[in-house]
Amino acid sequence: EAGVAQSPRYKIIEKRQSVAFWCNPISGHATLYWYQQILGQGPKLLIQFQNNGVVDDSQLPKDRFSAERLKGVDSTLKIQPAKLEDSAVYLCASSSNNLAGENTGELFFGEGSRLTVL
Amino acid sequence: AQSVAQPEDQVNVAEGNPLTVKCTYSVSGNPYLFWYVQYPNRGLQFLLKYITGDNLVKGSYGFEAEFNKSQTSFHLKKPSALVSDSALYFCAVRRMFSGGYNKLIFGAGTRLAVHP
Repeated sequence: EAGVAQSPRYKIIEKRQSVAFWCNPISGHATLYWYQQILGQGPKLLIQFQNNGVVDDSQLPKDRFSAERLKGVDSTLKIQPAKLEDSAVYLCASSSNNLAGENTGELFFGEGSRLTVL
Repeated sequence: AQSVAQPEDQVNVAEGNPLTVKCTYSVSGNPYLFWYVQYPNRGLQFLLKYITGDNLVKGSYGFEAEFNKSQTSFHLKKPSALVSDSALYFCAVRRMFSGGYNKLIFGAGTRLAVHP
């Protein structure tokens, strides 16, 4: 079974530039997550999709961050314009539902996209 | 609010010795608790979870965790540490929201260093 794919693995940009990250979840997983992990901290949820709908984007800085999950499969996270404090690893994860339709809580993570903003 | 705390930034242990990585939780109702591991330059990997039933949960790579309701703890343990266990460990709690969806809230992480 293929895992969660993310690209690019590394990106270096200057502040005020834009960047986009792509994620392809495990086939059949209904829920997709984008987490931000700043060095020395735990992952912070930015946005959670259930199929192609957003269920939680309460911690997404909407003035500069956007995300979409067209057709309920792969997803793109964009930052425009980037700030120095956006330097972090952006982790994509996916999970499946149990027979009751509940999210299992067992997340499968990609290897992450490391962003450095200069 | 539902959350987890990992009181130790780093745990050092000698290879072959038992290890414990601590986690305490704060939830209303019955907690769904998880442990994840992160190796350098990699994403997080699921280790184990507690939902209900036996308080001792066994997971991947020989790890286990003990759920203690009276102490609101969910410590990760392994009887004999390996150098290859050196990694960052995250405790997490599942938080339910109205509308039927849930999300994982992660702790800050504990770095485990196993020395030869």
